[in-house]
Amino acid sequence: EAEVAQSPRYKITEKSQAVAFWCDPISGHATLYWYRQILGQGPELLVQFQDESVVDDSQLPKDRFSAERLKGVDSTLKIQPAELGDSAMYLCASSLSPGKADTQYFGPGTRLTVL
Amino acid sequence: QQQVKQSPQSLIVQKGGIPIINCAYENTAFDYFPWYQQFPGKGPALLIAIRPDVSEKKEGRFTISFNKSAKQFSLHIMDSQPGDSATYFCAARDKAAGNKLTFGGGTRVLVKP
Repeated sequence: EAEVAQSPRYKITEKSQAVAFWCDPISGHATLYWYRQILGQGPELLVQFQDESVVDDSQLPKDRFSAERLKGVDSTLKIQPAELGDSAMYLCASSLSPGKADTQYFGPGTRLTVL
Repeated sequence: QQQVKQSPQSLIVQKGGIPIINCAYENTAFDYFPWYQQFPGKGPALLIAIRPDVSEKKEGRFTISFNKSAKQFSLHIMDSQPGDSATYFCAARDKAAGNKLTFGGGTRVLVKP
């Protein structure tokens, strides 16, 4: 069964350091999403890609966060500099295409702890 | 702004009981309502979903009831088992916003043996 891959699974960093997360969506999925999930809350969308293009980054704190999906396949989410409040689970999801499929498939997430 | 309100925050039932989780929304542009199940340390997994033109959908022991006029929907877990202990999230999709999913706050369900 195809799955969304994410790495690392866990990351501990000190504030003001840079961190990066990687996501490999299910093969053939054109749409890729990055979510942030604070403990005890539902996921919140940070950025959505359609192929290599950003279609929604309205909730992405652009002063410190960046995301790219250069070849329209895998994606990287970066935080620089990390702040204490960034401690959360970062989830990647993918779907076939917004107009064709309803289901978003989630990866296992990266648990970030900022000290 | 919480567009999807979910209750209760937590729920404890005995094995065989029927946990019921409720969600309410305001945005009438939402056109698809999935439920996700999340185990500790894992990403959410799609459990069951419904469209607003249907009032009820069953898949195995999971049932969604949908009330379009009240803008409310709920998840029932029939004959609950200890393995159903997880956090459940309702969500709503805004197709006009690129299929953006808005999640509820989650309900932690514990099924006691």
